[in-house]
Amino acid sequence: KQEVTQIPAALSVPEGENLVLNCSFTDSAIYNLQWFRQDPGKGLTSLLLIQSSQREQTSGRLNASLDKSSGRSTLYIAASQPGDSATYLCAVNNAGNMLTFGGGTRLMVKP
Amino acid sequence: SAVISQKPSRDICQRGTSLTIQCQVDSQVTMMFWYRQQPGQSLTLIATANQGSEATYESGFVIDKFPISRPNLTFSTLTVSNMSPEDSSIYLCTAGEGNTIYFGEGSWLTVV
Repeated sequence: KQEVTQIPAALSVPEGENLVLNCSFTDSAIYNLQWFRQDPGKGLTSLLLIQSSQREQTSGRLNASLDKSSGRSTLYIAASQPGDSATYLCAVNNAGNMLTFGGGTRLMVKP
Repeated sequence: SAVISQKPSRDICQRGTSLTIQCQVDSQVTMMFWYRQQPGQSLTLIATANQGSEATYESGFVIDKFPISRPNLTFSTLTVSNMSPEDSSIYLCTAGEGNTIYFGEGSWLTVV
């Protein structure tokens, strides 16, 4: 059974720092991996989707990498801003579009 | 791409009652799923809604508590039965077609 772990569980950084969020998964037979943002009381916002054949995806200040063989993905946030404060979730898509979510990283960017 | 409409978006429910959440997709999809997110937790898969047959439940979830219907390829319902405060959660519907997953906006339930 797929298990997804996110480290750290919580992170507090000053504005402007570059930071890395980690996601690991136990079963490397995945279709894709997706990073989401969730603000308090809100639904999921998709940030980046990496197909199993890809190694990274970029969107603005966000860069997500995927190392399927080692079961790892990282989300890199450059020049963090207070507006980046949220919970970041990674989710792995195994067979048939069934997602397994990690526990999330709660990010606080202080002005 | 597909659009999912999930209703209700929010509700406050009395303990002991049941509530049905609807998930409507604007096109036919092969797979539909229901997830739960309890306060401060991540999302956990409740079940796969199978068209024309009984849903497939994950460990820890049972049909008596979370009956699911899927009468066709565009619609599914999840009922949360005999609710207790522990059922206060976000319930999320997703749909999958090919390698693409679509997300509902979630239903926020508070049980008092």
